Amino acid sequence: GDSVTQMEGPVTLSEEAFLTINCTYTATGYPSLFWYVQYPGEGLQLLLKATKADDKGSNKGFEATYRKETTSFHLEKGSVQVSDSAVYFCALSVRYNFNKFYFGSGTKLNVKP
Amino acid sequence: DTAVSQTPKYLVTQMGNDKSIKCEQNLGHDTMYWYKQDSKKFLKIMFSYNNKELIINETVPNRFSPKSPDKAHLNLHINSLELGDSAVYFCASSQEAGGVRKTGELFFGEGSRLTVL
Repeated sequence: GDSVTQMEGPVTLSEEAFLTINCTYTATGYPSLFWYVQYPGEGLQLLLKATKADDKGSNKGFEATYRKETTSFHLEKGSVQVSDSAVYFCALSVRYNFNKFYFGSGTKLNVKP
Repeated sequence: DTAVSQTPKYLVTQMGNDKSIKCEQNLGHDTMYWYKQDSKKFLKIMFSYNNKELIINETVPNRFSPKSPDKAHLNLHINSLELGDSAVYFCASSQEAGGVRKTGELFFGEGSRLTVL
């Protein structure tokens, strides 16, 4: 079945450190891939997305590339800030399953000054 | 102007009670969802409606009953609340693009934190 696996947290980094959060997926169709971010006490917000292989999604300094050969969509940022502290969710959606989204378990990121 | 709004934001109640959570979206989307987020932040889809028609109904106890009076509203009623129902419930919406089944992004509400004592 369709699923998403992402690295467990929490991830603790110092400000300006490089961030990678790993995400791999299993899908029987042609998925779109997403990263969502949840700040404390808030709902999830779309961070970036990619709808086909080799697409790169980017937003607010975050990037992720849709890699079909490795079924991965790792999230990266070159220099994190304290304000990036949040929970990050990788997700996929496949066309045949009428907008059914599959979320990873979330990775909490703590950035220290 | 809030795109997806849910009420109430916080709900504290006793076991056995019945409660409802309301959701409204002003984005013009035709699909709405209820998700449950547990204490470990794991998100699980519960229901999805497309143009007032139920399209996704995961393995959820019968005590949970969604209702969609129109495509802009999706409410969740829970009967006989149990301790395990304590969670944050998120409403979300999305839009299919131009009649082709392209997956649009999900827009989430801020969540309704339910605590059952």
